[in-house]
Amino acid sequence: QVQLQESGPGLVKPSETLSLTCTVSGGSISDYYWSWIRQPPGKGLEWFGYIYYTGSTNYNPSLKSRVTLSVDTSTNQFSLKLSSVTAADTAVYYCARHRPGPYFDYWGQGTLVTVSS
Amino acid sequence: QSVLTQPPSVSAAPGQKVTISCSGSDSNIENNYVSWYQQLPGTAPKLLIYGSYNRPSGIPDRFSGSKSGTSATLGITGLQTGDEADYYCGTWDSILSTVVFGGGTKLAVL
Repeated sequence: QVQLQESGPGLVKPSETLSLTCTVSGGSISDYYWSWIRQPPGKGLEWFGYIYYTGSTNYNPSLKSRVTLSVDTSTNQFSLKLSSVTAADTAVYYCARHRPGPYFDYWGQGTLVTVSS
Repeated sequence: QSVLTQPPSVSAAPGQKVTISCSGSDSNIENNYVSWYQQLPGTAPKLLIYGSYNRPSGIPDRFSGSKSGTSATLGITGLQTGDEADYYCGTWDSILSTVVFGGGTKLAVL
């Protein structure tokens, strides 16, 4: 059974860079696409983009200028960096396995990131 | 403002059937597959339907998906109190070049 777990700081200061890592267990990161999705408190879902295990990426155009996705197959991890954060970036951040369709069949439990000074 | 439009809430009695609509356009739903997710309070979304009609292993056949033109529908029969959750639709938008989601529908089983 594939499991995903997000990790990273729960508090980030405005204008700084948010960094999160997703660790995949119970299966290999290879041969699949992996995404980040966030959910502001009380609101809906927003997709950041996906990364393939080879490192190729596809970003949400509305976030592309601030987002960097990376992957490390040796540790079965992939990561998100979001630059120049503001209070509007406060959300629960989820990592998920991205299948062609597209759809997301495995999700992490999510991690709350608050942007505040 | 979400690209896909869902009703904010629906309700029905235990044992009854409910449908949740997801309205889009020819750049998303009409020409792409739709997926549906169930989000129980305080938990991550869970895949219910993929490819507009298909259920992953382990999802009971009480849940069904359909699509017609620019709209998709999630059906739930034999409602249980444990079905109380937020439900989201999602698909690809070919003009925006991104995954888009509906705003979510809160299901109450009264």
